[in-house]
Amino acid sequence: DAMVIQNPRYQVTQFGKPVTLSCSQTLNHNVMYWYQQKSSQAPKLLFHYYDKDFNNEADTPDNFQSRRPNTSFCFLDIRSPGLGDAAMYLCATSRDRGLVQETQYFGPGTRLLVL
Amino acid sequence: DAKTTQPPSMDCAEGRAANLPCNHSTISGNEYVYWYRQIHSQGPQYIIHGLKNNETNEMASLIITEDRKSSTLILPHATLRDTAVYYCIVRVVRGWDFNKFYFGSGTKLNVKP
Repeated sequence: DAMVIQNPRYQVTQFGKPVTLSCSQTLNHNVMYWYQQKSSQAPKLLFHYYDKDFNNEADTPDNFQSRRPNTSFCFLDIRSPGLGDAAMYLCATSRDRGLVQETQYFGPGTRLLVL
Repeated sequence: DAKTTQPPSMDCAEGRAANLPCNHSTISGNEYVYWYRQIHSQGPQYIIHGLKNNETNEMASLIITEDRKSSTLILPHATLRDTAVYYCIVRVVRGWDFNKFYFGSGTKLNVKP
């Protein structure tokens, strides 16, 4: 089945130690998104890639970076994780963007714990 | 930047219809309404979407008011597995802006035996 895959499902890191979360997709979608979801809150969009074009949300901290080496993979890098960065990180994809409707498909998420 | 308002929680008896309301009074003419649900510790799952007509699929029905300022998601026969947080989302479109989903705070639906 075509899907969005996130590994690992749980990630533990130390305060200030860089960490990378990964997302892959078999849908061959052009757009990939990263969301942050803190406990009992709604997902919040961090940034997205349209093909190789990176688009940051205005309020996303500089501590968060992303890479998309090819269509299938996208990485979220947290350069110096703080305790406040502990959250579920969700990856999503959509076929395209624009004026017509485009459903987003979400992965299962990676729960990050910062010690 | 959420553009939707939902009640924080609702209860529903198993086997009965669950009607989840959503207000989106500032919705623009080309903005779609999407519904997703999130079962505990999983990624959001797509349910249904619509622009102005009522929609139905195998999971649910979506009723959008004529002025498009509110909508209702209907689960016709709720089961215990439908217990989840349900998000009503307006898909923002500004010219050729991107396919951005801004999630509201969601409704926690509790389906009870």
